[in-house]
Amino acid sequence: QSALTQPASVSGSPGQSIIISCSGTSSDAGIYNLVSWYQQHPGKAPKVMIYEGIRRPSGVSDRFSASKSGNTASLTISGLQAEDEADYYCFSHVGSYWVFGGGTKLTVL
Amino acid sequence: EVRLVQSGAEVKKPGESLKISCKGSGYNFTNYWIGWVRQMPGKGLEWMGIIYPGNSNTRYSPSFQGQVTISADKSITTAYLQWRSLKASDTAMYYCARQSADFYYDPWGHGTLVTVSS
Repeated sequence: QSALTQPASVSGSPGQSIIISCSGTSSDAGIYNLVSWYQQHPGKAPKVMIYEGIRRPSGVSDRFSASKSGNTASLTISGLQAEDEADYYCFSHVGSYWVFGGGTKLTVL
Repeated sequence: EVRLVQSGAEVKKPGESLKISCKGSGYNFTNYWIGWVRQMPGKGLEWMGIIYPGNSNTRYSPSFQGQVTISADKSITTAYLQWRSLKASDTAMYYCARQSADFYYDPWGHGTLVTVSS
């Protein structure tokens, strides 16, 4: 059981928007300020999509955005495309260690 | 170009030892933490630990403390992940990744598949 909880799966149709949540039990705001999000396609290494909670690395589509509120960080993907179908993981510093969320499988219908 | 190149796939028997590598290039290897991440077949990502090659400062996830050893040789810009006695449950893909100054992991190595089977 990860210290960061994600839904196991989400789905959406092309063009729609989806939100993937990442919830922790701690009220330490620092955890959510350091959250990064990774996209992983089958057989591939993960790729960073968001860092420091809300920032997008250069080269990442602006269809990917993120927010944080309370003890939950969220990744939003707007204008869903078939290529967005992948696993998504949140990642942050919890206590003395770094932790991944359990991962969310995004299906584009 | 910043790159991490990992050693090739390994097939080992239970009880054998193993050391896999992750060679960095295109940046000052001593100035960035390198993390190791496990992904068991069909499962999610698990953070194993991290090393700062500049002084070999190392931290482990409690789940992996005592099970593996992370090391680095800054003279050849290479980080390592090592097992003394492999178990079948160590079968997984192992990734190394550089931790940026903003605490995200990029780039990632291509992964090293470790298969432990009798």
